[in-house]
Amino acid sequence: QKEVEQNSGPLSVPEGAIASLNCTYSDRGSQSFFWYRQYSGKSPELIMSIYSNGDKEDGRFTAQLNKASQYVSLLIRDSQPSDSATYLCAGDNAGNMLTFGGGTRLMVKP
Amino acid sequence: GAVVSQHPSRVICKSGTSVKIECRSLDFQATTMFWYRQFPKQSLMLMATSNEGSKATYEQGVEKDKFLINHASLTLSTLTVTSAHPEDSSFYICSARANSGTGGSVAKNIQYFGAGTRLSVL
Repeated sequence: QKEVEQNSGPLSVPEGAIASLNCTYSDRGSQSFFWYRQYSGKSPELIMSIYSNGDKEDGRFTAQLNKASQYVSLLIRDSQPSDSATYLCAGDNAGNMLTFGGGTRLMVKP
Repeated sequence: GAVVSQHPSRVICKSGTSVKIECRSLDFQATTMFWYRQFPKQSLMLMATSNEGSKATYEQGVEKDKFLINHASLTLSTLTVTSAHPEDSSFYICSARANSGTGGSVAKNIQYFGAGTRLSVL
């Protein structure tokens, strides 16, 4: 079973802090990884994609990929209450199908 | 703005009714579209992969005769829930993967999601 694992949370951080979301995957064949944000009752929205080992930064978001450790993370700097949502990690296998983790619920408290 | 349009956003129907959901890629072609289902407080579960011009590929446990998928063009896939029952009530979400980037907001091989359809079967 090819899996993507996430801690379901909730992860609670104060406003302005750094939120760190983590994800591990079992399929070594996965090449691409994605972080989606999903607000309650809404569909997922792409936040970041990452394909290579290392860090990728986009505004307040930084994605990190370590293929040797099969680990993906998302850092959110200067967290805002509007960042409160469920964050879904997904891996893309050779067939270009996404396997989603269960999601981590983030709560940013004012 | 949205790059994948999904309609309707909300359906309430009686048991035994068939419901059709449309998923359209806007301004890009998508050979492959995906249909997901999400129950409350659970993650997305892939139901099937919709391929333009050929039969859909269903995930294990998903009844192909109950969830009919048609991908008639490079921009449209439809999911029909036939003879819906209360246990089919869920949030159905489609996604489309672009064949090529548009140079604008759409990148190649990224899955873009529709807004979802909340189905309630009475």
